[in-house]
Amino acid sequence: QVTLKESGPVLVKPTETLTLTCTVSGFSFSNVRLGVSWIRQPPGKALEWLAHIFSNDEKSYSTSLESRLTISKDTSKSQVVLTMTNMDPLDTATYYCARMGLETYDYDAFDFWGQGTMVTVSS
Amino acid sequence: SSELTQDPAVSVALGQTVRITCQGDSLRTYYATWYQQKPRQAPVLVIYGKNNRPSGIPDRFSGSSSGNTASLTITRAQAEDEADYYCSSRDSGGTLVDVIFGGGTKLTVL
Repeated sequence: QVTLKESGPVLVKPTETLTLTCTVSGFSFSNVRLGVSWIRQPPGKALEWLAHIFSNDEKSYSTSLESRLTISKDTSKSQVVLTMTNMDPLDTATYYCARMGLETYDYDAFDFWGQGTMVTVSS
Repeated sequence: SSELTQDPAVSVALGQTVRITCQGDSLRTYYATWYQQKPRQAPVLVIYGKNNRPSGIPDRFSGSSSGNTASLTITRAQAEDEADYYCSSRDSGGTLVDVIFGGGTKLTVL
């Protein structure tokens, strides 16, 4: 079955760079319509889409955060990596990776989500 | 970028029908997607496209749209439907993927 699992630091200091890894299983990046996004959710607040990478390595970023984000993938390891520079306490959130599947691609919808990883930004 | 607006909270009596709405200019062009999120859990896709339900989502959940408003309707509401519901859609940006989310609606089943 399809699973995604996020990993990364629980705590980062302001101005540091955050690196998160999403390890996927149950599907491969063999179809160009498949892709993975990163989405975050501050405590008690709404979801916010951050970045997306397609099987063919095409990438999209949130316009408001584009200058701080880099998304990449390692197909051999079935991993998608997100880096976010210059972290701020306002970036404290649960970070999710989610798959955009073959049936949901046309609607920018995410059919499978990881459990999320909570990242706190504090000195 | 566009915005999607949702009522912060809605309640429904057990077994009754409830409609959760989402408003935004992007919905004139793109379908809304709906996610259910229970406390301390990841969101779950419940409706996408015109009115598509992923496998495992009960047919009590349905989606519709008119103008700039999309709706998620839950018929015969159950206690387990109590959750936060988020709408999303494609934004009007020029990137390949550009998703916006609404602020979420907390559904209470009385």
